Amino acid sequence: GAVVSQHPSRVICKSGTSVKIECRSLDFQATTMFWYRQFPKQSLMLMATSNEGSKATYEQGVEKDKFLINHASLTLSTLTVTSAHPEDSSFYICSARGPSGGDHEQFFGPGTRLTVL
Amino acid sequence: GQNIDQPTEMTATEGAIVQINCTYQTSGFNGLFWYQQHAGEAPTFLSYNVLDGLEEKGRFSSFLSRSKGYSYLLLKELQMKDSASYLCAVTNSNYQLIWGAGTKLIIKP
Repeated sequence: GAVVSQHPSRVICKSGTSVKIECRSLDFQATTMFWYRQFPKQSLMLMATSNEGSKATYEQGVEKDKFLINHASLTLSTLTVTSAHPEDSSFYICSARGPSGGDHEQFFGPGTRLTVL
Repeated sequence: GQNIDQPTEMTATEGAIVQINCTYQTSGFNGLFWYQQHAGEAPTFLSYNVLDGLEEKGRFSSFLSRSKGYSYLLLKELQMKDSASYLCAVTNSNYQLIWGAGTKLIIKP
């Protein structure tokens, strides 16, 4: 099946630093990837849609200068949280549309737990 | 606006059957998904419905009624490992995935 990996799985950083999270589709090409954030006991919140070779589309209320997304290849998208603050502590999850490119399914990475001290 | 409603929490007994309901109001409809999410983990795909009716997959079944904006996930022969959150999500006319808040299912022995 379609496998999506994320790295790192956990990261702890100091306030003011930047953190990069990688999302890779391991056995298929993903022209579109999605970045979600999930706070405890809340649902997934879509942050942005990442399209290979073009700029990401951000959801309302998500600061594009703070959450930098780069989809440089068909198998890799990165999310960089710049100048992270404690309120950015959350569970960040990426997903990719299935190999067929259709919308029938999104395959999720295992998530990255970010803790900002 | 667009919204997905599902119960916040449900409790069931091991070996029993539980039905988790989901109602939706979205701008258009292009399919409904159910995902399972264990605490601290990413969601995993359970089912996809785009036509009315029941889709059965092992112990799990999912039902859709587009005219009523309603779906349910049916879990049979409950096992302790089924304790998780179950997320209902709908793809709207713009192919955006709209997520429900999830139903936390607690299984008791």
